Amino acid sequence: KNQVEQSPQSLIILEGKNCTLQCNYTVSPFSNLRWYKQDTGRGPVSLTIMTFSENTKSNGRYTATLDADTKQSSLHITASQLSDSASYICVVSLMDSNYQLIWGAGTKLIIKP
Amino acid sequence: KAGVTQTPRYLIKTRGQQVTLSCSPISGHRSVSWYQQTPGQGLQFLFEYFSETQRNKGNFPGRFSGRQFSNSRSEMNVSTLELGDSALYLCASTMTGGKNNSPLHFGNGTRLTVT
Repeated sequence: KNQVEQSPQSLIILEGKNCTLQCNYTVSPFSNLRWYKQDTGRGPVSLTIMTFSENTKSNGRYTATLDADTKQSSLHITASQLSDSASYICVVSLMDSNYQLIWGAGTKLIIKP
Repeated sequence: KAGVTQTPRYLIKTRGQQVTLSCSPISGHRSVSWYQQTPGQGLQFLFEYFSETQRNKGNFPGRFSGRQFSNSRSEMNVSTLELGDSALYLCASTMTGGKNNSPLHFGNGTRLTVT
């Protein structure tokens, strides 16, 4: 069964600290992996998209890694800010005829001052 | 360039009624997809339209339907509303759909409450 699992479910850290969110997937055939940030009550916003051949990709203070062999991805946030408080969602695209997307349940991150 | 626009932003309906939600994609985007998000749940895919044709469909009952117009604007309809339909309904657009590595661009959703 095609699944995307994220951990932890929620995380609280102090402003200025770093953190890493995890994403494990059992999706095949794999096309690409995406990370989205969703603020409360708003639509998700794309952070990164990585294909099979990409191991790491950065977007400002956000760095995503992908290990296609172990089917794991991580999102590392450096020097967290209060505005980083949001849900972070991992999404994997299937390389099927419709390129359907398999969504994780997200990690809720809270940054405390 | 204007983003994805969803209307209305909030909606309160009574069980048994029907509702229509609207989505205007980013100019030039031909793929529009719809998602349901309930508290504590991940995004659940409803359907995707491309050039006025439904290209993908999720596992939702037939009460949920949609359509896309020639200008790529899309509507979704939910008939015979149930309490469990209360959710944030999100619309996303992209140039050609998931076939390439283009990201989805989401609107801020319509918050539907069924009483």
